[in-house]
Amino acid sequence: NAGVMQNPRHLVRRRGQEARLRCSPVKGHSHVYWYRQLPEEGLKFMVYLQKENIIDESGMPKERFSAEFPKEGPSILRIQQVVRGDSAAYFCASAQVAKNIQYFGAGTRLSVL
Amino acid sequence: DQQVKQNSPSLSVQEGRISILNCDYTNSMFDYFLWYKKYPAEGPTFLISISSIKDKNEDGRFTVFLNKSAKHLSLHIVPSQPGDSAVYFCAASSQGGSEKLVFGKGTKLTVNP
Repeated sequence: NAGVMQNPRHLVRRRGQEARLRCSPVKGHSHVYWYRQLPEEGLKFMVYLQKENIIDESGMPKERFSAEFPKEGPSILRIQQVVRGDSAAYFCASAQVAKNIQYFGAGTRLSVL
Repeated sequence: DQQVKQNSPSLSVQEGRISILNCDYTNSMFDYFLWYKKYPAEGPTFLISISSIKDKNEDGRFTVFLNKSAKHLSLHIVPSQPGDSAVYFCAASSQGGSEKLVFGKGTKLTVNP
């Protein structure tokens, strides 16, 4: 299966802990996007990365959230000191260079207790 | 301010009939539009897209129509099948789709046998 792989699928954290969400893009895709979906809402853009570069982080909260897409390995979305309001589904998408269709993973459902 | 609006939260149609899902946008910089289908606990699946240089794109049972002057697009599914029952998201992007996607809140389609 060469699709976008996200893990874990479900993540439970207590308030104040750290959450790390991983995304492996489709093989050959060098663009990665992270989106967040709250209940009954559409997906909201968070950050757009290319290998080793953050291209657009206009949707990222200013504090506690960070993202990276290293030269080797998956993209990581990191949330420090999680709060209940961070509970949501987090989706990763990838796209080819100069292509215009983003393909999504199955998502990570984060629950903060 | 919501730049992409899907004003019908839900739609119910009979198997074999046409399903029409609507989407409006406000940002005139959007030049690429996509429809995604989403089942519960899964990621969005790409269905069909259209560039602003076209007014219609067809793929099998799915057709997307774009009316730039009205800033409106619609997805037609003919004939509708029970397996089409899902939430459908309209998304828009600028710069040919290589940038972030802006999503509507979705329309839940139910196709009754």
